[in-house]
Amino acid sequence: DVQMTQSPSSVSASVGDRVTISCRASQGISGNLAWYQQRPGEAPRLLIHGAYRLRSGVPARFSGSGSGTDFTLTISSLQPEDFASYHCQQANSLPLTFGGGTKVEIK
Amino acid sequence: EVQLVESGGGLVQPGRSLRLSCTASGFNFGDYGVTWVRQAPGKGLEWVGFIRSKGNDETTEYAASVKGRFTISRDDSKSIAYLQMNSLKTEDTAIYYCTRDEGGATPLYFDYWGQGTVVTVSS
Repeated sequence: DVQMTQSPSSVSASVGDRVTISCRASQGISGNLAWYQQRPGEAPRLLIHGAYRLRSGVPARFSGSGSGTDFTLTISSLQPEDFASYHCQQANSLPLTFGGGTKVEIK
Repeated sequence: EVQLVESGGGLVQPGRSLRLSCTASGFNFGDYGVTWVRQAPGKGLEWVGFIRSKGNDETTEYAASVKGRFTISRDDSKSIAYLQMNSLKTEDTAIYYCTRDEGGATPLYFDYWGQGTVVTVSS
């Protein structure tokens, strides 16, 4: 199984800050990676797939990069509605696996 | 509008069974795969399994933790997917989400999610 490791597990930031979340795969997964946002009490929602492809309707302040084993989700200017947990997920091989999640908290 | 609505969760004793349903609307259900994802209390997300679209023979894939105990099926005439859970264990306690999978033949990404249904396995 491909292990997905996210870092940090939590980050405190202020509105307007730039936030970067990392996701590392235990083996190469090409560009087969997605990012999801999960607000408290809600279901996750897809933000990015194919490592960098922004889903329609997702604000452009979100961006994804990386390939192989190392990936990054960047929020360029944090907004109040962005305080949430973020999960990466690999789609390269079965079983599909998720990272442990990163919680973005208000500083 | 695409919607997925899960139902059937509840409290069940270890060793017993439960069947979850996922009712879809707003899209051509038969064209998509369906993945079930769960989230244990305070934990991350775990892929449970996937059923391919009818055009891909409706075959299934499962996580090792549920293989042989859980079965995913679908009824395209009703736009419903099912998760039959047998021999439930306390570690199956979680919110169960139904998702629309962008992959019809291979599970990929989950572009729409239901609101989730809570399954609690306890004596």
